[in-house]
Amino acid sequence: QQQVKQSPQSLIVQKGGISIINCAYENTAFDYFPWYQQFPGKGPALLIAIRPDVSEKKEGRFTISFNKSAKQFSLHIMDSQPGDSATYFCAASFQGAQKLVFGQGTRLTINP
Amino acid sequence: DADVTQTPRNRITKTGKRIMLECSQTKGHDRMYWYRQDPGLGLRLIYYSFDVKDINKGEISDGYSVSRQAQAKFSLSLESAIPNQTALYFCATSWGNQPQHFGDGTRLSIL
Repeated sequence: QQQVKQSPQSLIVQKGGISIINCAYENTAFDYFPWYQQFPGKGPALLIAIRPDVSEKKEGRFTISFNKSAKQFSLHIMDSQPGDSATYFCAASFQGAQKLVFGQGTRLTINP
Repeated sequence: DADVTQTPRNRITKTGKRIMLECSQTKGHDRMYWYRQDPGLGLRLIYYSFDVKDINKGEISDGYSVSRQAQAKFSLSLESAIPNQTALYFCATSWGNQPQHFGDGTRLSIL
């Protein structure tokens, strides 16, 4: 039973374009929604996170959009760069960042 | 950031063998976690520990056991390895409800 569903599984974007990755969750008790970035041979690293009391959070070129009523959230990468090529995971948890439930992951490739 | 060190980084072993993966951290974080990563499934929680005397099962604990030897050390054991336990294994740490920091993983192959 996948509590957090992520799409697409893979994504190819041209340099300078916008990358969009979507996640949907089922448990309305979730109150923390992070995105992790993973490069080959490395562990996931926190990229950006949001709590459900706001609809959007922006950090540099990375933005999370959150739709509580639809139980969906998405990651937008503006002006995508080849260095953004990585696997991205959305996740969700309740009571802070304790027990994360991860999405399936999206392999993002930015073509130069 | 927490320095989370996992050993070994790669391991190939045979079905039925006992295997221990080790995780140590140097920042004094109280919480430690073990996950496995499989293609198309993301990361799934195996066990977690909020302090030395606290051990909890995660989503997929069957076939695994853990030991929290000290605040800084959390090991994962496969008592009798089977091929479907072939995966990437990650240890993570956190302080309270702060974000989790991950090690660089152990690639485990069971033949």
